[in-house]
Amino acid sequence: DQQVKQNSPSLSVQEGRISILNCDYTNSMFDYFLWYKKYPAEGPTFLISISSIKDKNEDGRFTVFLNKSAKHLSLHIVPSQPGDSAVYFCAASFFTNAGKSTFGDGTTLTVKP
Amino acid sequence: SQTIHQWPATLVQPVGSPLSLECTVEGTSNPNLYWYRQAAGRGLQLLFYSVGIGQISSEVPQNLSASRPQDRQFILSSKKLLLSDSGFYLCAWRDWRLGTLEPGELFFGEGSRLTVL
Repeated sequence: DQQVKQNSPSLSVQEGRISILNCDYTNSMFDYFLWYKKYPAEGPTFLISISSIKDKNEDGRFTVFLNKSAKHLSLHIVPSQPGDSAVYFCAASFFTNAGKSTFGDGTTLTVKP
Repeated sequence: SQTIHQWPATLVQPVGSPLSLECTVEGTSNPNLYWYRQAAGRGLQLLFYSVGIGQISSEVPQNLSASRPQDRQFILSSKKLLLSDSGFYLCAWRDWRLGTLEPGELFFGEGSRLTVL
């Protein structure tokens, strides 16, 4: 049973427009949700996170929204830039041993110039 | 500053051969260390984690093993590789004492691409 799901394997947007990446989870006990960005042949890098007690967290062009009742979170990138093209992973973790994150399968974002 | 290195970056091995992937972390002490695997088109699956020297927890039963012979060294091994062991292996670390870290935030190495033929 996959506890974190990213149902869209890929997303293509025009430069300057908004990118919305979605993630669903099944375990309501998760304490934190994180987004990682990964370029080919590199390790993922942390992008932004949100606590389960919040519904929004913003960092520059990146905003994560959490809807706990729907067990859904989304990452908004505004405006999208070609350098944002990468695979984005959604992950969920608990306070205890917070490094044991459960990851989704990722969404490949392509931002076209 | 902290850094993490993995090697080798790329490995092609025949079925039945042994495996050793190494990961070292610099600039921190007693970090939590993790081995993740990314199969083709899939997300990252946690394989092993370690909270200290000689302390290894396995998350999924498999053909692999892990060891932590030194504080900042984490090794992933296999005695006999299977085709299904192919994938992108990622080592990661986390130091909970760093107050600037987001809960759950991990620092990943560059990854090791393993192809078993």
